[in-house]
Amino acid sequence: NAGVTQTPKFQVLKTGQSMTLQCAQDMNHNSMYWYRQDPGMGLRLIYYSASEGTTDKGEVPNGYNVSRLNKREFSLRLESAAPSQTSVYFCASNSGQAPRNEQFFGPGTRLTVL
Amino acid sequence: QKEVEQDPGPLSVPEGAIVSLNCTYSNSAFQYFMWYRQYSRKGPELLMYTYSSGNKEDGRFTAQVDKSSKYISLFIRDSQPSDSATYLCAMSANFGNEKLTFGTGTRLTIIP
Repeated sequence: NAGVTQTPKFQVLKTGQSMTLQCAQDMNHNSMYWYRQDPGMGLRLIYYSASEGTTDKGEVPNGYNVSRLNKREFSLRLESAAPSQTSVYFCASNSGQAPRNEQFFGPGTRLTVL
Repeated sequence: QKEVEQDPGPLSVPEGAIVSLNCTYSNSAFQYFMWYRQYSRKGPELLMYTYSSGNKEDGRFTAQVDKSSKYISLFIRDSQPSDSATYLCAMSANFGNEKLTFGTGTRLTIIP
């Protein structure tokens, strides 16, 4: 099992460019999440998908779009990147099964917008 | 005011010391409480998980929840250099496919 995988690991964009961050999980989990992590701000939820075919906004959705392509894959798109979107992005998944309500995280994508 | 407050540190202690990490929260609906550990340039991993009030022990780690005070703690006994990481508290109101609310994280360094 690879768990949660993310591509790319690093990316540098210019303001106004677009890109898609890819995430896949092989644990047959229903829920998937996109977070951003900034110094002093902790993990903030951008979007989540409780099940295949559904997506909902989190705390900081502006400037992002998501697609739950199938049960395994959940992508995050930046249509027109801004310097404020410089951050580390984490994807996570959750089975929602007892005994632990555990979210499994990917290794992260470090994005710099110039 | 944030729903979950956590002292960001950084916190440095000598090897073998007892470490206490804390979070306070304002949402009385939270029932599920977690501590995640995040090593540098890695994703967070679940360390401890508790439901409602009380204590839970796992090896050198003890998680405490005091719902009346809206206060949770993580204690690390006999701290080791390998415990050096950022520790994030997280909590949710319901079980299952639920959003978590995270604290900002405390960066901990154990000095050999």
